[in-house]
Amino acid sequence: IAGITQAPTSQILAAGRRMTLRCTQDMRHNAMYWYRQDLGLGLRLIHYSNTAGTTGKGEVPDGYSVSRANTDDFPLTLASAVPSQTSVYFCASSDSRAINEQFFGPGTRLTVL
Amino acid sequence: GQNIDQPTEMTATEGAIVQINCTYQTSGFNGLFWYQQHAGEAPTFLSYNVLDGLEEKGRFSSFLSRSKGYSYLLLKELQMKDSASYLCALMDSNYQLIWGAGTKLIIKP
Repeated sequence: IAGITQAPTSQILAAGRRMTLRCTQDMRHNAMYWYRQDLGLGLRLIHYSNTAGTTGKGEVPDGYSVSRANTDDFPLTLASAVPSQTSVYFCASSDSRAINEQFFGPGTRLTVL
Repeated sequence: GQNIDQPTEMTATEGAIVQINCTYQTSGFNGLFWYQQHAGEAPTFLSYNVLDGLEEKGRFSSFLSRSKGYSYLLLKELQMKDSASYLCALMDSNYQLIWGAGTKLIIKP
């Protein structure tokens, strides 16, 4: 693994289903983030984690949950998917949540029908 | 509240210079970032400004005026591979990045 990876690359999901998007980084970064990117809108922060064992809510957290059991992994769960959650999801990490460059994963394209 | 504005789309010619502007309003400020995002790919870091002035990095330069709430990204000697979206993002007082919608730059030969 080099950098930050996400899985799956893309997914089509029926509304009401539960889905977990996976994110793993090997840079030993303390901070990790989940964003969604929709056409015509900027990246919007869903949840973040300053360090292993802690999480926080971003701008659009409703309908999503996260966990940070260790430094490397930061999964995002949709408990009951809805069509408005159709989006491209990016995971990112940085050395800390202070003024640092964020490194992004390749993204997961999710379609909820 | 916070707000970021940047043009939706710009077109420029290969070999030329283009300036992409970004204006913002915010109550707390910890710097301004520029990222590049090619279609279907992840954003990648280009520059960071926290003090007024110009930061030059090869063909790319970024400028900040905190008093005017204004930044620009200057791309020189444009190449076809520079066709991408350019995202402006400000870091607020909580160290959260607030992103603009991005400027799609189209380079023509």
